[in-house]
Amino acid sequence: GESVGLHLPTLSVQEGDNSIINCAYSNSASDYFIWYKQESGKGPQFIIDIRSNMDKRQGQRVTVLLNKTVKHLSLQIAATQPGDSAVYFCAENMGNYGQNFVFGPGTRLSVLP
Amino acid sequence: DTEVTQTPKHLVMGMTNKKSLKCEQHMGHRAMYWYKQKAKKPPELMFVYSYEKLSINESVPSRFSPECPNSSLLNLHLHALQPEDSALYLCASSQDGGLAKNIQYFGAGTRLSVL
Repeated sequence: GESVGLHLPTLSVQEGDNSIINCAYSNSASDYFIWYKQESGKGPQFIIDIRSNMDKRQGQRVTVLLNKTVKHLSLQIAATQPGDSAVYFCAENMGNYGQNFVFGPGTRLSVLP
Repeated sequence: DTEVTQTPKHLVMGMTNKKSLKCEQHMGHRAMYWYKQKAKKPPELMFVYSYEKLSINESVPSRFSPECPNSSLLNLHLHALQPEDSALYLCASSQDGGLAKNIQYFGAGTRLSVL
């Protein structure tokens, strides 16, 4: 299940289940979004991106959905594996041709054996 | 090679010290970035260099001074920092050829402690 408090929201899922991580973005004019994965002791790593003229994009085991009406992004991870345990950030482009990204608060994904 | 290398990995400094963080990439990227990340928080953009010119400064205090000596190197000079500046400092780079070419590749960061 998901817990949200004063600290980083955490989502716990069983290995092999599908994960859905949600993100609300702030700027209705944002035209480009990226999901990053950050493992402990590492910098963020690109997972998948989506432009505002799309509502869905699929990668390997991951799918990003964009709902511009409610300014909402989600990241779906199929068959979640222990190696998926990390903090996941959505980032929205605030302009300057994609140089100025603002990151969401992040969600910690914990994969249970 | 999709590596961004940051040195040092850890740094402890006093409030009167002067130190520098270094970042290097050899991907031919022309945009380089500094972010600050506090514990359990998202990265926050500090500076962006595009073609070795400062293109974004997110109202960062002058005790942080960026420098881009060439397209592969990015430095962050630190002077008279405060304890609240303790954080993970991340460097990133991107191609800088328009929207879809600005996927940023991040280094592992320098963990800075200011005493």
